[in-house]
Formats: sequence, C-alpha cells, structure tokens
Amino acid sequence: AQSVTQPDIHITVSEGASLELRCNYSYGATPYLFWYVQSPGQGLQLLLKYFSGDTLVQGIKGFEAEFKRSQSSFNLRKPSVHWSDAAEYFCAVGAFPGTYKYIFGTGTRLKVLA
Amino acid sequence: GAVVSQHPSWVICKSGTSVKIECRSLDFQATTMFWYRQFPKQSLMLMATSNEGSKATYEQGVEKDKFLINHASLTLSTLTVTSAHPEDSSFYICSARRATDYGYTFGSGTRLTVV
Repeated sequence: AQSVTQPDIHITVSEGASLELRCNYSYGATPYLFWYVQSPGQGLQLLLKYFSGDTLVQGIKGFEAEFKRSQSSFNLRKPSVHWSDAAEYFCAVGAFPGTYKYIFGTGTRLKVLA
Repeated sequence: GAVVSQHPSWVICKSGTSVKIECRSLDFQATTMFWYRQFPKQSLMLMATSNEGSKATYEQGVEKDKFLINHASLTLSTLTVTSAHPEDSSFYICSARRATDYGYTFGSGTRLTVV
C-alpha cells in the first residue's frame, strides 16, 4: 500500500539549533517526493521536491532534504532554525504519472523556543 | 509566478444553505485541480480531483451531491457545499497542477463555519 509516515507529531527545538524532520514512504514506483510547510490558517507552500538526480536537494528558506532509497526516507533538515520556522510540515509522495494525486503524511508540528 | 487564489478565505453560513468556494490559477493554466479538507491539527484529506471540462472524480466516502465541483475553465474550479450542516465546518484547500511540470500550487484555504 502507498503511504507516507511522519513519525514525529510534535518537535520542539531552540532557535539556532539544527532540525531534522523524518519522513518515510512506501511506494511501488519511483517516488516523486515533496516537503510542504503550512502556517496556521494558511495553505501549503512548497519547500522542496525530489524527482531524480542528486539525492540531496536544496529548497527555500535554507531547508534541504536527502533522498535515501535504501531506507525509503526523505528527511528534511535545516542547520539553524529561526523562530519564523514554527509551522506544520508535511511530507508527500506524488503519484506521477498516473493519478497525479499526492499522498500526504500526517504532518509534524514544529515549535521553536526563543 | 504560479499563484492560486482561493476565495473566500473564511465564511460563516447558516445550516441548510449552500456555500461556493472559488479556486483560481492567476498566471498559469491548471490542467487539474484538487480539493482537500483539513480537520484541526490533521493532515489534508483529498476530496476530489477535477479536470477542466470533465466531471470531477471523488474519493471514496465523499458525497458527490454534498460537495459539487465544477471546473469550467483552465483557470477556475469551484467547490459548492450544498445544504451545509455544522459537521461540514472545516478548512478547505484547493491546489492546481501546472501542465508544464509536476509542481502544485496551493490556495490559501477557506475556513467554513456552519452555524
């Protein structure tokens, strides 16, 4: 079955500390992987995506993610967290080509301590 | 570029009335639009997929007659919640797929409260 798992529901880090948000997927074909961020009461903003090629992808706002096929993971990282990074983060795998639907993880809520 | 405008951002309606939510791609043509529902502190639940000029495809368990979706043009899709009830209160988000790549752009969402 196709699925995306984000094991951490909540994560709290201090401002300036490093961050890693975990994402594991189960998908039968080549995965198209995404990380989105959602601020309260807002839509989703794309942070980065992986389709192929270099397994370390850079995104906006200083985020990066590494695709590890052997571990079926696509973890999101940031070396130094800012207070404005507090939000909900969603990992998703896209059914491309085909239905073009996203399968979203359950999300990780990030809290940043001053 | 790649902006999706969703209106209204919030709406309060009386039980039994209908509410229409619009999703517009402002600077690109959207071959496919998706409608999601999000409950508080939960992930997004795909409700339906709409392609321009054809009937929407609804996910299992989503009432077609309750949630009417129209994708009349390559830049506009609408979701109408018919005969709304308090249990329909939720956050609804649309997204649009560009024909040129696999990037999706999300609207800012609509908070629906049925009283």
